[in-house]
Amino acid sequence: DSGVTQTPKHLITATGQRVTLRCSPRSGDLSVYWYQQSLDQGLQFLIQYYNGEERAKGNILERFSAQQFPDLHSELNLSSLELGDSALYFCASSALNYGYTFGSGTRLTVV
Amino acid sequence: QQPVQSPQAVILREGEDAVINCSSSKALYSVHWYRQKHGEAPVFLMILLKGGEQKGHEKISASFNEKKQQSSLYLTASQLSYSGTYFCGTLNYGGSQGNLIFGKGTKLSVKP
Repeated sequence: DSGVTQTPKHLITATGQRVTLRCSPRSGDLSVYWYQQSLDQGLQFLIQYYNGEERAKGNILERFSAQQFPDLHSELNLSSLELGDSALYFCASSALNYGYTFGSGTRLTVV
Repeated sequence: QQPVQSPQAVILREGEDAVINCSSSKALYSVHWYRQKHGEAPVFLMILLKGGEQKGHEKISASFNEKKQQSSLYLTASQLSYSGTYFCGTLNYGGSQGNLIFGKGTKLSVKP
């Protein structure tokens, strides 16, 4: 157990639908990051939150949104899903100047 | 800017050494190294900070040349457990606003 909890582990949904992925960071970490990893691809940065505020955005589609709540857990919302959104979605948390701790990921399959 | 990793893949026999390189076109504040096994999450190996400070929790060494904006990961006396894909992640500035940009990865296979 890395200390970062992601739910659900697997998600199968139809095109056009909306899903929510949840992440609880490691205790004490204020930064939460979301990454997308497609088959045999690297880790693509989506968005970062720090202590409840959005701090950085990567190549996140307009159909995707995220937020971090007062208890520091974060949710990534994916809407109007397309086949190409099928991927592993990782959440990670960190303290300043320390390595990222990744959750086990949510495998999203859009059919 | 995405850092460039080389080589893309390497095959080793147990006990052999390997070097994985990571270079950036922009000035770096820090470089991170991670290993990801198939179907699992990336695992943090080491962070190298501007100024020379290093933090890691495994017996793997690395170097960080700030002027050349390059880092190298050294895997010595490789074991079967070293197999996986290694990613470098670069941070262009410190502070609370900063996210790692990862290279495309180097796939390392260690054979008996």
